[in-house]
Amino acid sequence: SQKIEQNSEALNIQEGKTATLTCNYTNYSPAYLQWYRQDPGRGPVFLLLIRENEKEKRKERLKVTFDTTLKQSLFHITASQPADSATYLCALDLRNAGNMLTFGGGTRLMVKP
Amino acid sequence: NAGVTQTPKFRVLKTGQSMTLLCAQDMNHEYMYWYRQDPGMGLRLIHYSVGEGTTAKGEVPDGYNVSRLKKQNFLLGLESAAPSQTSVYFCASSWVLNTEAFFGQGTRLTVV
Repeated sequence: SQKIEQNSEALNIQEGKTATLTCNYTNYSPAYLQWYRQDPGRGPVFLLLIRENEKEKRKERLKVTFDTTLKQSLFHITASQPADSATYLCALDLRNAGNMLTFGGGTRLMVKP
Repeated sequence: NAGVTQTPKFRVLKTGQSMTLLCAQDMNHEYMYWYRQDPGMGLRLIHYSVGEGTTAKGEVPDGYNVSRLKKQNFLLGLESAAPSQTSVYFCASSWVLNTEAFFGQGTRLTVV
């Protein structure tokens, strides 16, 4: 069965540094890969989408890469700020597995001032 | 523009009771989803809808039913609640299937 892996341990970094989060998946070839942000007690908020034929996507301080050979996506936040502290979820559109939008368990990012 | 609104925000049920969770979206989205989120399990899809009057099962549909009688509303029903259904439930909607989903604020359900 398909599996999406995100580092379950919290990532602690210093303000101003670049945070890099990893999303690995197995078995399937998603049409899209997405990243969401979730704050405590709130629903996830969409950040970025990258297609299978795209290598990299940027939005302000955010950058996502998508390596379909390695079955991996990296999510970067440059010049990180304490306000970036949240849980970040990756999600795959598994169109060849029942059309489901499937989420990883998320990685908690803590940016210290 | 409210986006996606879930009702209620909190609920405590006794085992065997039934209830309906309401999700309403005002963005004219075609697609709607119900997820549950549990510690260590992430978000898991319960049911989804690709349009008014159509629904489909997700990853964990057992014990739940859904209806989409109006485009803007997606209802999640628990006919006989069980403690295993204690969770936070999220509704979401999107323009395109499985992309850029907008989520509600969640419903925290406890079954005792």
